[in-house]
Amino acid sequence: AQSVAQPEDQVNVAEGNPLTVKCTYSVSGNPYLFWYVQYPNRGLQFLLKYITGDNLVKGSYGFEAEFNKSQTSFHLKKPSALVSDSALYFCAVPVSGAGSYQLTFGKGTKLSVIP
Amino acid sequence: DTGVSQDPRHKITKRGQNVTFRCDPISEHNRLYWYRQTLGQGPEFLTYFQNEAQLEKSRLLSDRFSAERPKGSFSTLEIQRTEQGDSAMYLCASSLSRDSYGYTFGSGTRLTVV
Repeated sequence: AQSVAQPEDQVNVAEGNPLTVKCTYSVSGNPYLFWYVQYPNRGLQFLLKYITGDNLVKGSYGFEAEFNKSQTSFHLKKPSALVSDSALYFCAVPVSGAGSYQLTFGKGTKLSVIP
Repeated sequence: DTGVSQDPRHKITKRGQNVTFRCDPISEHNRLYWYRQTLGQGPEFLTYFQNEAQLEKSRLLSDRFSAERPKGSFSTLEIQRTEQGDSAMYLCASSLSRDSYGYTFGSGTRLTVV
């Protein structure tokens, strides 16, 4: 079964420092991978996706993610963190064979950017 | 059209009562999804509509849950005889057929069963 894992429940980073939120995946075939962000009491917002092509994917709000096939990882990165980046981040992968195009999500990582 | 709207934002109900939530998707989106998110977890798929047809339901969707999407527009999710375990955020998302996985999520309905 397709799955993703987010090994860190929480990540703390100082404002202005680079940030990384980790995601590893387990899929058969070529993976589609997604990152979403959730601000307090809000729904999820799409950040970026990897379908095929360049291993470095650029997304919204200055975020990017690096697809690494050998390490089965898809880590989310940003060169310089902002306090406003503080939120919950979810990695996701499509459910294999589901004609409904449903996604399965990781448990999420809480990012806190400290002023 | 400003996005996916969900109503109410918050609902507190007593155990055993029935509740109904509404989702208004982006008007041109033909796919509509319901997900449930409990504290400390990522969203979990509940059910999916393409136009007015409910094409898939998760095992999480017990007999107490029912969802409809009349005329392929808005959708409702009803929970009968609520239990404390139903307390969660219920998220609706919509998308276009040609943009697989291109979800737009609503802000969710937070249900608290007391």
